[in-house]
Amino acid sequence: SSELTQDPAVSVALGQTVRITCQGDSLRRYYATWYQQKPGQAPLLVIYDKNKRPSGIPDRFSGSSSGNTASLTITGAQAEDEADYYCNSRDSRTNHLGVFGSGTRVAVL
Amino acid sequence: EVQLVQPGAEVKKPGQSLKISCKGSGYSFTNHWIAWVRQMPGKGLEWMAIIYPGDSDSRYRPSFQGQVTISVDKSISTAYLQWSSLRASDTAIYYCARLSRDFDGLDYWGQGTLVTVSS
Repeated sequence: SSELTQDPAVSVALGQTVRITCQGDSLRRYYATWYQQKPGQAPLLVIYDKNKRPSGIPDRFSGSSSGNTASLTITGAQAEDEADYYCNSRDSRTNHLGVFGSGTRVAVL
Repeated sequence: EVQLVQPGAEVKKPGQSLKISCKGSGYSFTNHWIAWVRQMPGKGLEWMAIIYPGDSDSRYRPSFQGQVTISVDKSISTAYLQWSSLRASDTAIYYCARLSRDFDGLDYWGQGTLVTVSS
């Protein structure tokens, strides 16, 4: 299967840690990338190659992977981290195309 | 600075045709695949198709094959997504994004074009 499964929503208290998971068979072969999307905005790359951050992404964002599960962790969540988060990996069935997870809405309380 | 510039919005009636654009700048346009991604109202992201501007090689997700056509004009560093006959169900935001050459993913995104199809 090329599907990636995420929990629909999670909440985290301000300053606490939250982990978002993404499960799928393709993650056994390919690294996940993670995108943050705030309302009315385009997605923004936050993690690639399992645990690398683009320039400008705070180091409270980190990634990890084990077996068929990739994770995005926000350590010390801030109010501005409230957003939808999508995982993505290559789709092993279609050359070069990718597949997105269903998305997780993170609420910072 | 890498940029992908898209028009903000298009409003069309069912049955009409449409071609939306994505103009790249700040990098070698012909050396990176361009992806088109759909986001229906209140829903998640979906890969639709990709195209390599260097030779116009294109790949479609099966569910979009035959429903849309992607193309490029490399002389003006612009990619296109087009419909020949729009349906109300095509109402969505359509993003173009650049496929990284260094990792499996999209590293830069356009701001998206909101396509509204309504009678």
